[in-house]
Order: sequence, then structure tokens, then C-alpha cells
Amino acid sequence: KQEVTQIPAALSVPEGENLVLNCSFTDSAIYNLQWFRQDPGKGLTSLLLIQSSQREQTSGRLNASLDKSSGRSTLYIAASQPGDSATYLCAMDNGGNMLTFGGGTRLMVKP
Amino acid sequence: NAGVMQNPRHLVRRRGQEARLRCSPMKGHSHVYWYRQLPEEGLKFMVYLQKENIIDESGMPKERFSAEFPKEGPSILRIQQVVRGDSAAYFCASSTGDGTEAFFGQGTRLTVV
Repeated sequence: KQEVTQIPAALSVPEGENLVLNCSFTDSAIYNLQWFRQDPGKGLTSLLLIQSSQREQTSGRLNASLDKSSGRSTLYIAASQPGDSATYLCAMDNGGNMLTFGGGTRLMVKP
Repeated sequence: NAGVMQNPRHLVRRRGQEARLRCSPMKGHSHVYWYRQLPEEGLKFMVYLQKENIIDESGMPKERFSAEFPKEGPSILRIQQVVRGDSAAYFCASSTGDGTEAFFGQGTRLTVV
């Protein structure tokens, strides 16, 4: 059974800092890994999807990496802004698009 | 393409009533997934459906919960005799089922009073 853990659970940083969110998983037999953003009381916005055969994906200030051998993924946010404040979720797809989510990292970027 | 549409966005039910949550997948998607997010907890998979079939319901509570995805119309998640512990955000996602990503709706927030 896949288990997904995100560390830290909460993070507060000043505006402009580069930061790294961590995600670890127990079952490396994944089809893909997805990072989502969730604002309070809102739905999920897909940020990046990394296929099993890929090592990383980039979109603007976001870069996500995948290391299946160590069971880890990181989401790197460059030059953080107050608008980046949200909960960030990683999710593993072990097949059939049924996702196993981590508990999330609540990010606060202070002006 | 309007994306995955869920309604209602907010639903209030008294204990013992029934709750019906609807999900219309993206155009061209025939695979639907329901997830539940309890307060202060992560999202948990509930059920995976294709048109007229339940593919995987390993995350569904054994009692009071059911789901369907008929040939015509939206997918329905039905909760009978709701209790306060059912209060949560229920999210629906859809995909083409060929290994590409699933897209999520905005969720239905159920409050049981």
C-alpha cells in the first residue's frame, strides 16, 4: 500500500526566498507523480506532473524532481511571493489515475 | 471545455438526511474518481468509476455510501442517513483513462448539522 509523506507540514518564509518542499513515498512502482496547489476552501490546481520515466519538470518559478530509487520528490519554488501562500500537495499515481495524496505542506510567504 | 463541474458547491444536511453530490466530467472523459477531504486531513481516494461500472471502491465506507456513473448524465455520490462525521469536502476528478493526468473539480463542501 502506497504511503505518501510531506515534510514540513507547515512553512513560513519571507518574500523572495527560494524554498524546497519535500515528498516521500513507499512504493516506487508509480506511473506518475503530481504536485497540486490548494487555496483555503478551494479546489485543487495541478502544478506539475512528472511521468515515471522523467526526472524533473519545470513551469515558471516551479521545478519538481522525482527520484524513484530513493522514493522522493521535491518541489522547488524560486523567488517566493505572497501569492504563493497555499497548501501544496503531492500525489502518487500507482495506476488507473487513482491518486494517493500526502498530507500537504501549508506555505505562508510573508511580505 | 468547462472542466470538471461539481454541484452543489456547498450542501447543508441535517443528521439522518440524504446527500447527493454530482460530478460532470470533462468532455471526452469517461473515467471518474471521488475523493474525500476531512477537516485538517489529506485527500483520500474513495471510488473509481467508468460509465455504468464501478472499477475500484476500496476507499468507500462500507455502509451508507454509494456511487454511480450512468450511461447518460453526471456521476452521483450518494450518502444516506448522514452523520456529523460525514462533513467534509468531496472532490471529483476525471480522466480519459489512458494514463494521462486526471483533472479535479472545485469540490462540494458538505456540512451536516
